[in-house]
Amino acid sequence: DIQMTQSPSSLSASVGDRVTITCRASQSISSYLNWYQQKPGKAPKVLIYAASSLQSGVPSRFSGSGSGTDFTLTISSLQPEDFATYYCQQSYSIPPTFGQGTKVEIK
Amino acid sequence: QVQLQESGPGLVKPSQTLSLTCTVSGDSISSGSYYWNWIRQPAGKGLEWIGRIYTSGSTNYNPSLKSRVIMSVDTSKNQFSLKLSSVTAADAAVYYCASLHTSNWDGYFPHWGQGTLVTVSS
Repeated sequence: DIQMTQSPSSLSASVGDRVTITCRASQSISSYLNWYQQKPGKAPKVLIYAASSLQSGVPSRFSGSGSGTDFTLTISSLQPEDFATYYCQQSYSIPPTFGQGTKVEIK
Repeated sequence: QVQLQESGPGLVKPSQTLSLTCTVSGDSISSGSYYWNWIRQPAGKGLEWIGRIYTSGSTNYNPSLKSRVIMSVDTSKNQFSLKLSSVTAADAAVYYCASLHTSNWDGYFPHWGQGTLVTVSS
């Protein structure tokens, strides 16, 4: 299985901050990397697919980059509704695997 | 768009079989347009893909669970199901069903059920 490692595991930030989350794959996955946001008690919601494509309806303050083994999710200006846990997921091979999550908390 | 809803017992005894069903609306499960997936999340932990089934009955399972998992499709009810045998406390989790369109080569899951909590306890 491909292992996905996110960093940091948690972070504290203020509204308006720029936030960057990193995801590293244990082998090259080309651009088969997706990002999800999950709020407590809710199912994950896809934000970014194919490393850098913005899912329809997702605010443009979210962006993704990277290829191969190293990827980033950036929130350009953190909003109150963005406090949540974020997961990366590789779709390069079966089984699809997820990172352990990054919890974004209010500073 | 596709909508998904999980159902099943919220409490399963250790060593018994967990059985869940996902009811699909918004499309026919017979359309052949989707892979139907199960994903779980233990409390306070990350997401684990359990497996998927296609309309034909073809399946792919996570190797870590393969010996205990059976998935099936009931086209007459527009449902697909998960059975996980010999459960232990480690199988306690929120179980989600999710769809993946067959044309979605990027492999992300756009549609999820709300999730159902399964507790394992005697």
